Amino acid sequence: SYELTQPLSVSVALGQTARITCGGNNIGSKSVHWYQQKPGQAPVLVIYRDSNRPSGIPDRFSGSNSGNTATLTISRAQAGDEADYYCQVWDSSLYVFGTGTKVTVL
Amino acid sequence: QVQLQESGPGLVKPSGTLSLTCAVSGGSISSSSWWSWVRQPPGKGLEWIGEIYHSGSTSYNPSLESRVTISVDKSKIQFSLRLTSVTVADTAVYYCARGYYYDGITYLWIRAFDIWGQGTMVTVSS
Repeated sequence: SYELTQPLSVSVALGQTARITCGGNNIGSKSVHWYQQKPGQAPVLVIYRDSNRPSGIPDRFSGSNSGNTATLTISRAQAGDEADYYCQVWDSSLYVFGTGTKVTVL
Repeated sequence: QVQLQESGPGLVKPSGTLSLTCAVSGGSISSSSWWSWVRQPPGKGLEWIGEIYHSGSTSYNPSLESRVTISVDKSKIQFSLRLTSVTVADTAVYYCARGYYYDGITYLWIRAFDIWGQGTMVTVSS
């Protein structure tokens, strides 16, 4: 089965840029989606199809996908961006989630 | 705006059956979307359980397929999850979500979860 690997944690200084990676075999050939999950809350879709933002998501969130790595970038990080982030793809008729990354804003 | 709300027992005994329902409001369950169940054990990541179309067609995660049944009740505008032979490993927050939707920006159908219920905690314990 397809696997998606994320770093366990990423730290970013307030106002700086955080990059969260999602590794998978030839992931660049797939559509990657990203979710933000704050403690005690349901996940929220923040990026779909590699780089598209749903309505209401700030343009500080952006995404890219190429080769074996997809990346979620959070620019001008704010305290409210502190959360867990998950990537997700659709592969062989299954939804596959990444292992998740905890983002800490310092 | 479509909203989802899970309901069901918060405690299930080992070897018993977990049953949850997801009520759909603000939209039609008979649209071209697929409706999913996703779970998250305490302190762990997300796991897709399975999905259903309004026609009753289903698709399940192979890791759970032998124990899972997802059904739909269009008259009640809800879909349900049944997980049999539960163990403590099935303790998790269970979410219902819309997992296939039409995006009016890209004019494409998207295999992502754009709408989620608030989640319901289910503990397996004697």
